[in-house]
Amino acid sequence: DAGITQSPRHKVTETGTPVTLRCHQTENHRYMYWYRQDPGHGLRLIHYSYGVKDTDKGEVSDGYSVSRSKTEDFLLTLESATSSQTSVYFCATTPTGLDYGYTFGSGTRLTVV
Amino acid sequence: GENVEQHPSTLSVQEGDSAVIKCTYSDSASNYFPWYKQELGKGPQLIIDIRSNVGEKKDQRIAVTLNKTAKHFSLHITETQPEDSAVYFCAATSNFGNEKLTFGTGTRLTIIP
Repeated sequence: DAGITQSPRHKVTETGTPVTLRCHQTENHRYMYWYRQDPGHGLRLIHYSYGVKDTDKGEVSDGYSVSRSKTEDFLLTLESATSSQTSVYFCATTPTGLDYGYTFGSGTRLTVV
Repeated sequence: GENVEQHPSTLSVQEGDSAVIKCTYSDSASNYFPWYKQELGKGPQLIIDIRSNVGEKKDQRIAVTLNKTAKHFSLHITETQPEDSAVYFCAATSNFGNEKLTFGTGTRLTIIP
């Protein structure tokens, strides 16, 4: 979707290094989410934000942190990457709740070697 | 938390035939049930959704049905076409609040020409 940009699109990193993924939206949506997608698991929620500086954990938050200092940016940080964090990461947004569903970004493929 | 099960994991149908994907959910308080289509290398896209006060919704060749008593909902695609080939995800609101979705594990639909 043109209104949500994820960067980088692909990244290979070494075990133990910190990694930050960025989600940038131009839709002025209040809610933002980070999901990871793995075969056999579908999409699992990592963290989400319901406003600037307001964040909360999802079901698979261990090893991840997030920050949202501006409406348009939501950062996902892996403090010390592990091989189990190899995945495709998707950012999603919604304006004021689920009346409009989620809009997803194109994803970031992260490989931890 | 909410648990969403999706079946089948893979489905192959002849072009022109119908396809049905089924999901069950665990939280009787869930009230919003979207379906997403994901094409290769892209993020999921919302294709149809239904709320708990409605039993069925149609949009051209796509329909969704909801049975609140049994806690299951289904996606029906009629007159399938090659461009319907994709991975489909169902989702339901979690019991933590109406702004977070729990996803099924996905169904890979292949349309055979």
